[in-house]
Amino acid sequence: KQEVTQIPAALSVPEGENLVLNCSFTDSAIYNLQWFRQDPGKGLTSLLLIQSSQREQTSGRLNASLDKSSGRSTLYIAASQPGDSATYLCARMDSSYKLIFGSGTRLLVRP
Amino acid sequence: DVKVTQSSRYLVKRTGEKVFLECVQDMDHENMFWYRQDPGLGLRLIYFSYDVKMKEKGDIPEGYSVSREKKERFSLILESASTNQTSMYLCASTPASGGLIQPQHFGDGTRLSIL
Repeated sequence: KQEVTQIPAALSVPEGENLVLNCSFTDSAIYNLQWFRQDPGKGLTSLLLIQSSQREQTSGRLNASLDKSSGRSTLYIAASQPGDSATYLCARMDSSYKLIFGSGTRLLVRP
Repeated sequence: DVKVTQSSRYLVKRTGEKVFLECVQDMDHENMFWYRQDPGLGLRLIYFSYDVKMKEKGDIPEGYSVSREKKERFSLILESASTNQTSMYLCASTPASGGLIQPQHFGDGTRLSIL
């Protein structure tokens, strides 16, 4: 069974800290790896998408990396802010456009 | 910007009712998806569609059906609602061309309670 695991399940950090969220997957035959943000009671907002041929993507204070050989992706958030508080989800896409999601990391950035 | 609109944010229905959840996207996307999200279980794919009149079962299709009569609209149907279908339902879309390099776009979700 294809699985996606996110560690830690929850994280609390003081404002300004740099942090790393981890995502691991069991099948290296992925087409892309996507990171989403979800605010309480809302839908998902796409943050970054890394194609299988790429190693990383950057958007502002966010950087996501992909290592297919080890089945890992990381989301790096620089200089965290209280507004970054949310649940972060990673998902791998297979050839049929289906996404398989991890359970998420719930992030709290304390002022 | 892609807009995926789910018709209801909150819905309360009774056991045994037939329930319709509607999703509309405005970007002419071919692919549309229905997920449910439950604490501890994450997002799970119910059904998806690659084009009008087409549908494919996802990982948990039991108790659900779908309808795709128009390209922009993808409906999820609970044939006879049960309490274990109380959940957050999320709709998403992505284009067929470039669908592997473009993210899925999600609606805001429908929180459905079955009493």
